[in-house]
Amino acid sequence: TQLLEQSPQFLSIQEGENLTVYCNSSSVFSSLQWYRQEPGEGPVLLVTVVTGGEVKKLKRLTFQFGDARKDSSLHITAAQTGDTGLYLCAGEKETSGSRLTFGEGTQLTVNP
Amino acid sequence: NAGVTQTPKFRILKIGQSMTLQCTQDMNHNYMYWYRQDPGMGLKLIYYSVGAGITDKGEVPNGYNVSRSTTEDFPLRLELAAPSQTSVYFCASRGGRSYNEQFFGPGTRLTVL
Repeated sequence: TQLLEQSPQFLSIQEGENLTVYCNSSSVFSSLQWYRQEPGEGPVLLVTVVTGGEVKKLKRLTFQFGDARKDSSLHITAAQTGDTGLYLCAGEKETSGSRLTFGEGTQLTVNP
Repeated sequence: NAGVTQTPKFRILKIGQSMTLQCTQDMNHNYMYWYRQDPGMGLKLIYYSVGAGITDKGEVPNGYNVSRSTTEDFPLRLELAAPSQTSVYFCASRGGRSYNEQFFGPGTRLTVL
């Protein structure tokens, strides 16, 4: 059983379109992070959300943490080819002892 | 700062061989982690360490060993390589003040034939 479920698993869109990626769980997390990974490289942190209902913006990317701190979403406005990559959500539970649990990722391809 | 560095970048092993994946960080981070990433499976935690001399098992520790003699280095040892260990291995570190924001190395792609 995957603790963090990401959807969709794959997404292929045209440049300029908007998209939303979801990260859902039945567990409560003290913090949740989003990473982006490009081929042949390690994941790079985009954002951390820690408060239920929190919304953070990073240029064209908007991240939201659910009110109950069980889910999160990543919305990209006017996608660009440079947004192509694997998007991973990762959560830390208060009882996890400094360990993160990762979702399986969403592979995003933005076509020119 | 170089951040987190891993060597080698690629390696092919025969079944039953052993090897050590090296990981070094220059950020003076106490926490370090080893993950494996299989296609479509996200990242699975193998072992982690909260400081020099302290290590603990993650989700998938079988077939691996680690040591942490210094703050900087966290090598991962495969003793008897098996095809199931074919994967991409990532090392990560975390500073003490952040909300577990981890910094990853570039990975080691390992194939066991």
